[in-house]
Amino acid sequence: DAMVIQNPRYQVTQFGKPVTLSCSQTLNHNVMYWYQQKSSQAPKLLFHYYDKDFNNEADTPDNFQSRRPNTSFCFLDIRSPGLGDAAMYLCATSRLGGASNQPQHFGDGTRLSIL
Amino acid sequence: KQEVTQIPAALSVPEGENLVLNCSFTDSAIYNLQWFRQDPGKGLTSLLLIQSSQREQTSGRLNASLDKSSGRSTLYIAASQPGDSATYLCAVVLGSARQLTFGSGTQLTVLP
Repeated sequence: DAMVIQNPRYQVTQFGKPVTLSCSQTLNHNVMYWYQQKSSQAPKLLFHYYDKDFNNEADTPDNFQSRRPNTSFCFLDIRSPGLGDAAMYLCATSRLGGASNQPQHFGDGTRLSIL
Repeated sequence: KQEVTQIPAALSVPEGENLVLNCSFTDSAIYNLQWFRQDPGKGLTSLLLIQSSQREQTSGRLNASLDKSSGRSTLYIAASQPGDSATYLCAVVLGSARQLTFGSGTQLTVLP
């Protein structure tokens, strides 16, 4: 059973047209992350939510924003996608606090194409 | 700034061979290290997590080691199978929210 679900699997949008990617989790984890992975490159952290606290990486472009309306859902908004934003976007979750470190759980990703 | 390097970038081996994938990182102040598998066009599947206080972790045919002082980890795959073909990524965990910093991966092909 999928525990971190990303929709859609494939998204095509036009240059400059806002797009939203979604992620949901059934694990009740308190941290959710968004990573960007370009072809043949390492995934790169964009931002994360620790409960309701939003944390932006220093080099994440202003064009990228995120919302977490509740524990289960997190959204990635790209306000004006450029050709360089074409990538796989990966959502992950983890539970922090407690006795030991836990592995992050990833969804299957959304592959974003820009026309 | 933490940097993670994986060598080789690609590896091709015949079925049945044992193999070792390498990962190095520049800052030894990590919480733990995680190895992932990524199939083409898919997300990441966690294989092994090694706590910073541990030296190794085993799961089936996989064994991961960690040497924090030298900034190195290895992933050993025993008796490789064609189904092991995938990209293997290592990631170090640091920061208050346990953020991951990834290497670029090793693309493994196991030939039948």
